[in-house]
Amino acid sequence: GDSVTQMEGPVTLSEEAFLTINCTYTATGYPSLFWYVQYPGEGLQLLLKATKADDKGSNKGFEATYRKETTSFHLEKGSVQVSDSAVYFCALNTGGFKTIFGAGTRLFVKA
Amino acid sequence: GAVVSQHPSRVICKSGTSVKIECRSLDFQATTMFWYRQFPKQSLMLMATSNEGSKATYEQGVEKDKFLINHASLTLSTLTVTSAHPEDSSFYICSARGEPGQGAAVNTEAFFGQGTRLTVV
Repeated sequence: GDSVTQMEGPVTLSEEAFLTINCTYTATGYPSLFWYVQYPGEGLQLLLKATKADDKGSNKGFEATYRKETTSFHLEKGSVQVSDSAVYFCALNTGGFKTIFGAGTRLFVKA
Repeated sequence: GAVVSQHPSRVICKSGTSVKIECRSLDFQATTMFWYRQFPKQSLMLMATSNEGSKATYEQGVEKDKFLINHASLTLSTLTVTSAHPEDSSFYICSARGEPGQGAAVNTEAFFGQGTRLTVV
């Protein structure tokens, strides 16, 4: 079945460091790929998405490129801030039906 | 973008009572709604999928008599946790998917509510 695998956390970085959170997927169709962010005590917010191969999603300095050849959708940010501390979920959705989530990666950014 | 509103955001109830959580799509018609449960420091696990006007489809291991789902209209789905116990304490999140033709974004992704933190004491 369809699945999402993302790197285990927690990830601890100093402010202004470069961030990469790896995500790979397995899907039978042509999924749309998403990154969601969950701040402490809150629900999910869509961070960015890509709907087809080679698309790059970007938002708030974060970006991720849909790589069909490597079935990956790694999240990157050039310079993280303390306010980026949250849990990040990689997810896929095929045909608009149920969304399948990765396990989540907790990010801590130190000042 | 499409907005999904979930209510209440937090609820504390006594063991043995029932709690209803509402999920509303505010600016689109949600033909399909999904209910997820999130345990502390874990990912979201799909509980059930509901289509407007029909019975919900529950994932394996989810008790349908305990977690009652009603999707009576195109903008509202409810999850009722019946005879709640402390082990039902969790974060519950709904998402909604729209009808084809309402716009590509509504059809290709699901939009999430803010979540409901349920504490059973």
